[in-house]
Amino acid sequence: SYDLSQPHSVSVSPGQTASIYCSGEKLGDRYVCWYRQKPGQSPVVVIYQDEKRPSGIPERFSGSNSGNTATLTITVTQVEDEADYYCQAWDSGTAVFGGGTRLTVL
Amino acid sequence: EEQLLESGGGLVQPGGSLRLSCAVSGFTSETFSMTWVRQAPGKGLEWVSTLSSSDGNTYYADSVKGRFTISRDTSKNTLFLDMNILRDEDTAIYYCAKEEPYYSHNKAYYPGYFALWGRGTLLVVSS
Repeated sequence: SYDLSQPHSVSVSPGQTASIYCSGEKLGDRYVCWYRQKPGQSPVVVIYQDEKRPSGIPERFSGSNSGNTATLTITVTQVEDEADYYCQAWDSGTAVFGGGTRLTVL
Repeated sequence: EEQLLESGGGLVQPGGSLRLSCAVSGFTSETFSMTWVRQAPGKGLEWVSTLSSSDGNTYYADSVKGRFTISRDTSKNTLFLDMNILRDEDTAIYYCAKEEPYYSHNKAYYPGYFALWGRGTLLVVSS
């Protein structure tokens, strides 16, 4: 089975840049999307197709994907960005999620 | 406004059965692939099943294959998940999600991404 790995947690100060990594074998050959989940809420897509931003998602969210690693970057991180972030890709008709990264903004 | 509203969760004994529903509004569900994703308490997201709009096929995680069935009623614009032989480890919030295709050179490709999620419904399997 295909696995996606993420760090359990990332901490960043408000106004700084946060980078969350997602690794998987030849991940760059697949499209990756990123979901944000705040406590008690449903997930929301923040990046799809590696680097595209849905309407309503701030420009400070960006994504990239190459080699074995996809990256979600949040510039000028806000306190409201504190949440769990999950990467996701497809493998033979199966959706695979990373284990999730808790982003703490303090 | 597009919305998904799950229902049907509850407390079930191990070995029991339950049907979850996902009422779709604001769009026609048969036009899009639809998916169930679950999240055990304090854990991450786990894909459960997808009903493909492009080929009508169904896909299941190994953990539920043979026990769960995904289907839809187009007249009611509703997605279902029939769950049998439930286990303790099936305890989770179950979300339904609308899948949007990826686009490349103006052509749509599935599988895509989960563009819209419902609020979820909680299933607890316990004796």
